[in-house]
Amino acid sequence: ETGVTQSPTHLIKTRGQQVTLRCSSQSGHNTVSWYQQALGQGPQFIFQYYREEENGRGNFPPRFSGLQFPNYSSELNVNALELDDSALYLCASSRMDSYGYTFGSGTRLTVV
Amino acid sequence: ELKVEQNPLFLSMQEGKNYTIYCNYSTTSDRLYWYRQDPGKSLESLFVLLSNGAVKQEGRLMASLDTKARLSTLHITAAVHDLSATYFCAGFFGNEKLTFGTGTRLTIIP
Repeated sequence: ETGVTQSPTHLIKTRGQQVTLRCSSQSGHNTVSWYQQALGQGPQFIFQYYREEENGRGNFPPRFSGLQFPNYSSELNVNALELDDSALYLCASSRMDSYGYTFGSGTRLTVV
Repeated sequence: ELKVEQNPLFLSMQEGKNYTIYCNYSTTSDRLYWYRQDPGKSLESLFVLLSNGAVKQEGRLMASLDTKARLSTLHITAAVHDLSATYFCAGFFGNEKLTFGTGTRLTIIP
């Protein structure tokens, strides 16, 4: 059984640029959620995807967008990067009919 | 506004001692999760508590849930250095997301 894989592991971007982060779900999972974790804070929910559609969204602006693909992998796109976007981005996969979440190892994004 | 509060935020304890981390939440939660995070790493699932009175134990860690008091606890028994990490509780409030607490940074001192 494969776990959740995220890429890249680290990324440095300049303010104003765009970034795409990727996540491969655990085998058998059909739902993907993305979280942003600023340094010293708990993770904050960005959005969730189920059946390739957004299925819930947190308090993040529209420049945060996502996709889910037929194989349940997912992308998180952030446009017009701001310094405050610097954080660890975590992807979690799950099954809609179960309670468990499996988190990936995260992507550390630094915006300079 | 949904809130999940943990205390203490920081905890230093000696090896061999017992302690409890508290997690209070502001509204009814369908379930309560506990996670462990090592520095720079992802979240490791520890427990999922699904009903009032639920108690789960794994090694030196035991978690409980009181839905009437909106309180969950994570009890550490006879702490060892390997338990040093940040511990998060998270509630699921039926809106497809986990709401995390601020975390408790636990340091075990030899």
